[in-house]
Amino acid sequence: AQTVTQSQPEMSVQEAETVTLSCTYDTSENNYYLFWYKQPPSRQMILVIRQEAYKQQNATENRFSVNFQKAAKSFSLKISDSQLGDTAMYFCAYNQGGSEKLVFGKGTKLTVNP
Amino acid sequence: SAVISQKPSRDICQRGTSLTIQCQVDSQVTMMFWYRQQPGQSLTLIATANQGSEATYESGFVIDKFPISRPNLTFSTLTVSNMSPEDSSIYLCSVLGTPHSTYEQYFGPGTRLTVT
Repeated sequence: AQTVTQSQPEMSVQEAETVTLSCTYDTSENNYYLFWYKQPPSRQMILVIRQEAYKQQNATENRFSVNFQKAAKSFSLKISDSQLGDTAMYFCAYNQGGSEKLVFGKGTKLTVNP
Repeated sequence: SAVISQKPSRDICQRGTSLTIQCQVDSQVTMMFWYRQQPGQSLTLIATANQGSEATYESGFVIDKFPISRPNLTFSTLTVSNMSPEDSSIYLCSVLGTPHSTYEQYFGPGTRLTVT
């Protein structure tokens, strides 16, 4: 069964600085998708960024970018120019191609300090 | 992305009672799902809501405890039956297969349930 591991339960960063959240996953499949979701205290799950496994280029969405290392099964999220509104739980998630099920990591609580 | 609403947003219920949570999407979607998020935990998939047929439940979840309906492509309900304090959680619906994307899941705002 696929598993997703987030090894950092909590992290903090100063406003305007850069922070990287780690995620590793275990799968024997070749076709899959990876996601980072943000859940602020309002509890709304927000899709931050996605990566298709067949794409070598790392995905980027404004201040958010990923470092996708397929051989190492690593999918880290980099947040540049951190803002107070980035304070939230961040969940890494895996979806096998052709399947609908999302497998989530345990999450990393990120606090951005002023 | 799809606009997803859930009702109620929160509720406090007595043990032994049942609560039905509604999930409404602003566009037709291929798949709808229900997740549970226990306090301080990650999300766990309860079941896939199938339109016109019985829901598909994950291991550890059963229809008698969590009956689900999906009468059409934009609406689903989850009932939490015979509640106990252990059912206190956030319940979220999600959708897959929107006009925007076929493989991205979008989530509703969640329903915070407290059982006393």
